[in-house]
This record gives sequence, structure tokens and C-alpha cells, in this order.
Amino acid sequence: EIVMTQSPATLSVSPGERATLSCRASQSVSSNLAWYHQKPGQAPRLLIYGASTRATGIPARFSGSGSGTEFTLTISSLQSEDFAVYYCQQYNDWPPRYTFGQGTKLEIK
Amino acid sequence: EVQLVESGGGLVQPGGSLRLSCAASGFTFSSYEMNWVRQAPGKGLEWDSYISSSGSIIHYADSVKGRFTISRDNAKNSLYLQMNSLRAEDTAVYYCARATVVNGYSGTFDIWGQGTMVTVSS
Repeated sequence: EIVMTQSPATLSVSPGERATLSCRASQSVSSNLAWYHQKPGQAPRLLIYGASTRATGIPARFSGSGSGTEFTLTISSLQSEDFAVYYCQQYNDWPPRYTFGQGTKLEIK
Repeated sequence: EVQLVESGGGLVQPGGSLRLSCAASGFTFSSYEMNWVRQAPGKGLEWDSYISSSGSIIHYADSVKGRFTISRDNAKNSLYLQMNSLRAEDTAVYYCARATVVNGYSGTFDIWGQGTMVTVSS
């Protein structure tokens, strides 16, 4: 099983500032990496797939980068609605054994 | 509107069974692979099971293999999860999620239902 490790566990950032979240895979997942965010009481929402492609309707302030084992999600100027838990997920395995990171909680500083 | 709506959750005793349903609308259900993903209270996301668009290919996480059965009825635009031999550690919100194929790889979950809570307790 590919283990996904996110850091930091909690990130405190002020509105308008930049946030950088990291995700590391225990073995290469190529670019088969997605990012989601989840607000309390809601389902996760897809932000980024293919490591760097924004999903439909996702603002340009969200960007993803990386390949292989190291990935980054950057939010260029935090808005109030961006404070949530962020998960990375690999989908490189077939047969599917999709795995998620443990999450990074992005909180208001 | 593209939508997934789960139902069927509830309280069940250890060793019991439950059947979850997921009703799809707003898209051609029969064209998409589907998955179940769980989230234990206060915890992260965990993939449980996958089914191909036709239903002919099925895969499970080791934690549920032999106990859970995923199925679908494309005529009814519905996905199901039959959960048997339930354990306390199966307590979670269960989400159905639509998968899209990107560069030949499935597993990008672009549409999620609102989730249904399953509580396994005596």
C-alpha cells in the first residue's frame, strides 16, 4: 500500500496570505495525485487532479505542483472560505488501492 | 444538477448487516466508475470499494474484503453497498463518489454524495 503523508498537520495563516501544503508518497505515484478540501459537516470537494490541473470551478488561486513522491498545494491569497481540511490522494495503483493523506487543517491565524 | 444522494445508514449491532444506496442524477450514470469512501468520526478519508461502469470489475480494500459487496443497477441509476459482519471500527460516514478517468487512470473523485452515517454499536 502506498502511504501518503501530509505536512504540516495544522497550518495557521492569515487571510490574504499564501499557504503551502505538502504531500509525500511512500513510492512514486507519477502525476496521479489529487487534492480535496473538506469543510465541517460537508463532503470533500475536488480541487486539483493530475497533480496540477484545477477541477471545474476551482479558482486560480489554487495551484498544484510536483510529481513522483513530492507534491505541493499552494493557495496564493487565502479567502475566508478556504479554511478547511485538505487531503491529498493517490490513484496510481491498479487494481485500485487508492489512499489518502491524513489531512492538513488550514486555520485562521 | 449533477448529484449523488446516499441513504440507508443507521445504528446496527456488531455482526449485523446494512445496505447503503446511492441515487445518481444529472449525468449518465452508466458511463462512470463509482466508489465508496468512508470517514470515521474525526478521522480522515479511507477508500473502501470500486465498481466499473458496467459492474463487471469490482475491487475492495483489504479491510472490507469478504464482508462488503458493491453493486450497481444502471437502469435505476443506483449504487449499492451491502455491509455484512459489521464491526465497531466500521462506524463512519459513508460517501459514494464518482470517478473520472484522467490520462487512463481512474480514481479522481469529482462528485461526492453528502454521506450517510453508519454506527456499529451494541
